Amino acid sequence: QVQLQQSGPGLVKPSQTLSLTCAISGDSVSRNTAAWNWIRQSPSRGLEWLGRTYYRSEWNSDYAVSVQSRIIINGDKAKNQFTMQLNSVTPEDSAVYYCARGFSLDFWGQGTVVTVSS
Amino acid sequence: DIVMTQSPESLAVSLGERATINCKSSQSILYGSNNQDSLAWFQQKPGQPPKLLIHWASSRKPGVPDRFIGSGSGTDFTLTISSLQAEDVAVYYCQQYNSIPLTFGGGTKVEIK
Repeated sequence: QVQLQQSGPGLVKPSQTLSLTCAISGDSVSRNTAAWNWIRQSPSRGLEWLGRTYYRSEWNSDYAVSVQSRIIINGDKAKNQFTMQLNSVTPEDSAVYYCARGFSLDFWGQGTVVTVSS
Repeated sequence: DIVMTQSPESLAVSLGERATINCKSSQSILYGSNNQDSLAWFQQKPGQPPKLLIHWASSRKPGVPDRFIGSGSGTDFTLTISSLQAEDVAVYYCQQYNSIPLTFGGGTKVEIK
């Protein structure tokens, strides 16, 4: 059974960087038919896809236009996990952040409530 | 971006009755390689992540009760709960995965009448 375990801080100061990790069990981050996503959810924006990483002989990433200048998503084969860094956060980045597998998002992490506040 | 529009925003249905949720995509989400629509349905309960119920518009994920039925094609899709149970109270979302960015509908809240 695939499980995704998220970790990272729940409180980030404005202008700082939000870093979250999603550890994978039951699958491989480097499987060449998989994709690994970050999604957030807030009352104002609903469910918003932020980006994904996937391995096809080399690492690739795609990002939402709304965050593409501030986000990096990386895969780590050695630790079988993937990470998200969102730079220069503002209170509008406060949300529940999820990691999820695949294109139809068949498995999700438990969610991390992130508050951006000084 | 493909816009996903769900209706209604909420509905109240008696136990054992049918609930119907609609989802419309702003353009075709037909995946050419398998000729199937790249449409998923999720159920979300408070404090939990969304849970995949159906993908490829009508294929139930293993373990999902058969009262959850996905249908439709082209740009118009439907999730039907054939006989509403108490544990089905939740918010339901559709999502397209035919193109980046992945996009979601606004959600439909299902309650017991």
